[in-house]
Amino acid sequence: AQSVTQLGSHVSVSEGALVLLRCNYSSSVPPYLFWYVQYPNQGLQLLLKYTSAATLVKGINGFEAEFKKSETSFHLTKPSAHMSDAAEYFCAAEGGFQKLVFGTGTRLLVSP
Amino acid sequence: ETGVTQSPTHLIKTRGQQVTLRCSSQSGHNTVSWYQQALGQGPQFIFQYYREEENGRGNFPPRFSGLQFPNYSSELNVNALELDDSALYLCASSNSASSYNEQVFGPGTRLTVL
Repeated sequence: AQSVTQLGSHVSVSEGALVLLRCNYSSSVPPYLFWYVQYPNQGLQLLLKYTSAATLVKGINGFEAEFKKSETSFHLTKPSAHMSDAAEYFCAAEGGFQKLVFGTGTRLLVSP
Repeated sequence: ETGVTQSPTHLIKTRGQQVTLRCSSQSGHNTVSWYQQALGQGPQFIFQYYREEENGRGNFPPRFSGLQFPNYSSELNVNALELDDSALYLCASSNSASSYNEQVFGPGTRLTVL
């Protein structure tokens, strides 16, 4: 069964610093992969998705993610953090029957 | 386009009671999935509905049931509530014709079981 691992339940950065959130998937067949963001007391908003068209995927709010099959990874990055980026980030993979399998999430803290 | 809406926003129930949560899918979407997000966890897939039929189920007991209506809106019903059912319940809609299953999530219903 598909599983998704997010390394680090909390990541702290300073405003303007690089953001790197890590995600690894388990399947030997690359699935569709997604990053979602969740602000407090809100639902999930799609940041970006990997659908095998390109290994470097650009999303909203300046985020991007690189798919690396050899590492079974799909890490999320942003060159310069902004205070408004503070939120919970979830990596997800398609787990068959159009269901999403989520990681446990990484809380991004941004300090001034 | 109208996004995914859910009602109610918050709900408090006592153990043993039954609850119904509602979801209206985004315009043009025909598939609805439900997820349970416990505090500090990622969402867990409960089940999915397509054309008013259950189309896949996660590891949840039968007391979790659902419906989908001809307008593609959906209900999640939970019977015999347990304390561990306290969670944020998320509804997501998608278009089954999409090859990569982009699901649009609603804001969720926060259920507290006392």
